[in-house]
Amino acid sequence: QVQLVESGGGVVQPGRSLRLSCAASGFTFSSYAMHWVRQAPGKGLEWVAGIWSGGNNKFYADSVKGRFTISRDNSKNTVYLQLNGLRAEDTAVYYCTRDARVGPGVYFDYWGQGTLVTVSS
Amino acid sequence: AIQLTQSPSSLSASVGDRVTITCRASQGISSALAWYQQKPGKTPKLLIYDASSLESGVPSRFSGSGSGTDFTLTISSLQPEDFATYYCQHFNNYPLTFGGGTKVGIK
Repeated sequence: QVQLVESGGGVVQPGRSLRLSCAASGFTFSSYAMHWVRQAPGKGLEWVAGIWSGGNNKFYADSVKGRFTISRDNSKNTVYLQLNGLRAEDTAVYYCTRDARVGPGVYFDYWGQGTLVTVSS
Repeated sequence: AIQLTQSPSSLSASVGDRVTITCRASQGISSALAWYQQKPGKTPKLLIYDASSLESGVPSRFSGSGSGTDFTLTISSLQPEDFATYYCQHFNNYPLTFGGGTKVGIK
């Protein structure tokens, strides 16, 4: 079965960096675009970034452009999110999600359990 | 970026009620809209894609309609397990955005 397992969250000071990882299994990882979606405590969902199956096409929310970088390693079935210049407003649970279609769709049929990033001094 | 406005932000309903949630896009998005259900402490679940296509395994009491800028999610007969927060999301272009959510509570 499809599994997405995030790791790398934690408490970090403003301005510092963090790298999130998402290990995928149960499907042909290299065929699917992958995305990160976040949810601040008690708030709604916010799409953060996406990367197409080959890794050459990447997209970002305006709120993170220039600070966050998405990447993937198809040999390791893993997608990453590098978070630089963290701000208090980046505090959220970060979910790894799979695009529902082979060939970008872009809505999400599988979600990881999430990893919590807390930005605080 | 395209903005999605959901209404109402919350509602109270009884088991068996027909419930309708609206999502309005700030510009036309054809049928590039999905709906999700999220229960407290759980991850979102895809219900509807392409505005009106039912995801596999989702009960037929859920339906979606609309195109362009105005969309609706309808639950034909609310069940106890349907009390949750519902989000719309467009995929017409990047950046993708979600609506603010509609919390469906028990009356």
